[in-house]
Amino acid sequence: AQTVTQSQPEMSVQEAETVTLSCTYDTSESDYYLFWYKQPPSRQMILVIRQEAYKQQNATENRFSVNFQKAAKSFSLKISDSQLGDAAMYFCAYRSWGYGGSQGNLIFGKGTKLSVKP
Amino acid sequence: GAVVSQHPSRVICKSGTSVKIECRSLDFQATTMFWYRQFPKKSLMLMATSNEGSKATYEQGVEKDKFLINHASLTLSTLTVTSAHPEDSSFYICSARVRTGGSEAFFGQGTRLTVV
Repeated sequence: AQTVTQSQPEMSVQEAETVTLSCTYDTSESDYYLFWYKQPPSRQMILVIRQEAYKQQNATENRFSVNFQKAAKSFSLKISDSQLGDAAMYFCAYRSWGYGGSQGNLIFGKGTKLSVKP
Repeated sequence: GAVVSQHPSRVICKSGTSVKIECRSLDFQATTMFWYRQFPKKSLMLMATSNEGSKATYEQGVEKDKFLINHASLTLSTLTVTSAHPEDSSFYICSARVRTGGSEAFFGQGTRLTVV
């Protein structure tokens, strides 16, 4: 069974600074997806960034980028130029490649609460 | 982007009554929908996987008779909490996967259930 571990329950960053959130996972699969989701106080889950395991290039979305190390099973999220609106819970998630049955279900880490100081 | 609408956003019910939560994909067809439960300051825990036209697949430890899931169409799945108890109070979230593929799951806004 796949597992996702986020070892930082809480993180804090100064506005305009850069912060990195850690995520490791365990799987025996070779093809899969990895995601970072943001959950603000509204509780709506918002996709931040996704990475396909077969892609060597790290995904980037504006101020958000990942450091994907497949051999190390590591998937960290870097937030540059942090903004007050970035304050939220961040969940790392894993998804198998297939579509049958319950495949496609996301396996979540426990989350990291990010605070942004003005 | 794809939109998933979950209703109601908040509900308070009395112990022993039943509550139905709806999850609709507004602009796409969802072969599969997932129901999660989230305790305060905790991660999302998968309760069940709902496939259109077939019985839901429940995760270990989830009572299928208490949490009834129906996925009658490609755009609607419902979760009914039967004979609700205070310990069923929680935040419930649905997500849907696009029928034609793609990696992303789209989430509803969530439902906060309080059983008094």
